[in-house]
Amino acid sequence: QVQLVESGGGVVQPGTSLKLSCAASGFRLSAHAMHWVRQAPAKGLEWVASISHDSSNQYYSDSVKGRFTISRDNSKNTLFLQMHSLRSEDTAVYFCSKGKGILSPGFDWGQGTLVLVST
Amino acid sequence: DIHMTQSPSSLSASVGDRVTITCRASQGISNYLAWYQQKPGKVPELLIFGASTLQSGVPSRFSGSGSGTHFTLTISSLQPEDVATYYCQNHYSAPLSFGGGTKVEI
Repeated sequence: QVQLVESGGGVVQPGTSLKLSCAASGFRLSAHAMHWVRQAPAKGLEWVASISHDSSNQYYSDSVKGRFTISRDNSKNTLFLQMHSLRSEDTAVYFCSKGKGILSPGFDWGQGTLVLVST
Repeated sequence: DIHMTQSPSSLSASVGDRVTITCRASQGISNYLAWYQQKPGKVPELLIFGASTLQSGVPSRFSGSGSGTHFTLTISSLQPEDVATYYCQNHYSAPLSFGGGTKVEI
């Protein structure tokens, strides 16, 4: 049974940093690319970043490039999203999802973690 | 970057109706198109990938077609449990952009 559990969300002030984690179980993380997707309140889905199975490639949306870093620790079955210089427009539920190759859809999704950027 | 446009943004139909949602890509993406269903308050679920391949466990009333820049998601006989927002996504090249969504109501 594939399980993805995000954590690390919370309320932060603009300009600060936050690191999200996604704990994976029920499958071999090292064989799969992974994605982060976010959803602002009452808005649609927005792809954020993807990482290949071995960390050799990463892709980012223009809206987060240079501020966010996707990484993974396959030995600990965990995916990360380090977020810097947070803005109010980064407020969203952040989902991690399991792909196949780096250019693949998300076959399984976590429940998400809420990031609220506010003064 | 590839931009994905869905239409309509919302629709209302009756139980048993045939429903079609359209997704257009700003440039050709071959058949690298996925469809997701997100029920109210729930996590998105993958319905279709590769434009027409049904994900395991998805009811056969859902189908996808298209190639290049024009794609459709069809629900052959709308059921009450299909009330949701549907999203298309390009999985041809980064950024893996989503369409704006189509809200389906009964």
